[in-house]
Amino acid sequence: SQKIEQNSEALNIQEGKTATLTCNYTNYSPAYLQWYRQDPGRGPVFLLLIRENEKEKRKERLKVTFDTTLKQSLFHITASQPADSATYLCALANSGGYQKVTFGTGTKLQVIP
Amino acid sequence: GAVVSQHPSRVICKSGTSVKIECRSLDFQATTMFWYRQFPKKSLMLMATSNEGSKATYEQGVEKDKFLINHASLTLSTLTVTSAHPEDSSFYICSASRVVGSNEQFFGPGTRLTVL
Repeated sequence: SQKIEQNSEALNIQEGKTATLTCNYTNYSPAYLQWYRQDPGRGPVFLLLIRENEKEKRKERLKVTFDTTLKQSLFHITASQPADSATYLCALANSGGYQKVTFGTGTKLQVIP
Repeated sequence: GAVVSQHPSRVICKSGTSVKIECRSLDFQATTMFWYRQFPKKSLMLMATSNEGSKATYEQGVEKDKFLINHASLTLSTLTVTSAHPEDSSFYICSASRVVGSNEQFFGPGTRLTVL
């Protein structure tokens, strides 16, 4: 069966450190993978998209890697700040799938001052 | 740009009543809109995909007669939960896509439905 697993439900990290979140998938052939941020009681906000033929993508303090051999994406937040505290969701769309994305359960990140 | 609103943000209703949730793209025309539901500490689950002027495509296991979707214009989609029951209580989120085939979806703030 298809699965998208994010490494942990919750991750606590000290301010200033790099937070690394993991997204693993099985039985998917994703055309692309996305990362979203979701705050409590709010809808997700798009952060980054990485395609199957890309290894790495960066945006300001965010970095995403995509390893289709390992079937894994890593999401890094460098110089983390308390304002980065939120739930981060990975989502992927299968090849041939028209815009339909499937979400992981998310990792709740807490950045401690 | 690319703002999506939902109304209401919270609704409490009695069992057996119907509830309508609106999703609007405020500053763009949405070729496709999506409806999701999310249970506490769970992932977003796609319920249906709708294109303006055509019938919605429902995901497996989602009852189309229970969750009526109308995509009347390029800026408005509505989800009506008919004859709501307590198990329908959930967080409903819509998203919209600007361009056909676009990978990016813009999400609304969500609607918390509580059925007593």
